[in-house]
Amino acid sequence: GENVGLHLPTLSVQEGDNSIINCAYSNSASDYFIWYKQESGKGPQFIIDIRSNMDKRQGQRVTVLLNKTVKHLSLQIAATQPGDSAVYFCAETLSGGSNYKLTFGKGTLLTVNP
Amino acid sequence: EAGVAQSPRYKIIEKRQSVAFWCNPISGHATLYWYQQILGQGPKLLIQFQNNGVVDDSQLPKDRFSAERLKGVDSTLKIQPAKLEDSAVYLCASSVDWRVNYGYTFGSGTRLTVV
Repeated sequence: GENVGLHLPTLSVQEGDNSIINCAYSNSASDYFIWYKQESGKGPQFIIDIRSNMDKRQGQRVTVLLNKTVKHLSLQIAATQPGDSAVYFCAETLSGGSNYKLTFGKGTLLTVNP
Repeated sequence: EAGVAQSPRYKIIEKRQSVAFWCNPISGHATLYWYQQILGQGPKLLIQFQNNGVVDDSQLPKDRFSAERLKGVDSTLKIQPAKLEDSAVYLCASSVDWRVNYGYTFGSGTRLTVV
């Protein structure tokens, strides 16, 4: 798997700005993708998901974009708030398989400055 | 609805010692997962149970790690003997069923430090 050691990619934004977090996934056959938020001392928390038959999906303040051609996902957070500060992970899976194994990508540490 | 419960929250042991982690999934969730999350990395699946049967343990280091879910509810993950590189957060997750993502929920994890 991928190894980023102790140095996560980081993104620092001002409160109220929009944030864009990017992720490159590994398996071109993956057909289901999820973004997770992980706060310190907690497990990953589901934010939004998207299937491979879509290229965009919107939630409350969040939008996920999928580009299958280059195997790229992005998470857009509108009007970023201090409570959005966390590590964000994308995860991929092949939903039609015999098991439902999520493969997580590199995390990005988002810091929101008040 | 209660979440996925894990204990202990923290554990410090010396190398070559043994350790066990416990997980209680959300009631009614048939599928249970154990993940290892090394500092600075995403979680990596160790083992997946469907009820009390193992679906996938391809990434479980079986020479030292073992897991069971005898009655299809609670699960334990054991490491014996521990190595320094086992220092990580061990996350348990559960979902309604392996075929759908509905309800896939993580616990807060057990942070293991091996010294």
